[in-house]
Amino acid sequence: DVKVTQSSRYLVKRTGEKVFLECVQDMDHENMFWYRQDPGLGLRLIYFSYDVKMKEKGDIPEGYSVSREKKERFSLILESASTNQTSMYLCASSLLREPGNEQFFGPGTRLTVL
Amino acid sequence: TQLLEQSPQFLSIQEGENLTVYCNSSSVFSSLQWYRQEPGEGPVLLVTVVTGGEVKKLKRLTFQFGDARKDSSLHITAAQPGDTGLYLCAVHGSSNTGKLIFGQGTTLQVKP
Repeated sequence: DVKVTQSSRYLVKRTGEKVFLECVQDMDHENMFWYRQDPGLGLRLIYFSYDVKMKEKGDIPEGYSVSREKKERFSLILESASTNQTSMYLCASSLLREPGNEQFFGPGTRLTVL
Repeated sequence: TQLLEQSPQFLSIQEGENLTVYCNSSSVFSSLQWYRQEPGEGPVLLVTVVTGGEVKKLKRLTFQFGDARKDSSLHITAAQPGDTGLYLCAVHGSSNTGKLIFGQGTTLQVKP
């Protein structure tokens, strides 16, 4: 069974803290993605990666960075958390990039920034 | 403006009722996907439609891709409480990047 795991289901941080969200997949997928999900906005892509040490900006990268040191692990970093980064964060992976290919999602991390 | 417009955004119905969710755009797509997200979980792929006019069935769920490949619908027959969740349509962005672009989602609540 394919599996994407995220390090925390719930996280509470203070404004200005550095936050690490970890994602691990066990399917040997090359492509990994970070989305944030907000009510009424669906999922919006923050960053994605095609391979180790490669990263590409998504639609809303401001305030975020990523790290992909190993194929199975993709980390999302909030350098200095702000209250407008309170959201649900979802990690996903896929085998291929062509249209119609399935993305597999983790259960999400609900981050609250106070 | 959203590339994909879903309607309605919220739906609360009784068990046994039928419903239809719509996903519309002015753009043409080579394929379109529907995902369902249950509370506390990530989205899970239900179906991918690729051909204009295509109809796919998954038990009580019927998915249709518009003839012009600009829109899609999801119809649920005799809804059950287990159908409760967030339904998302999605398309891949251009340039074979693997990026998915999602609609805003339709939250469905089916009451027993």
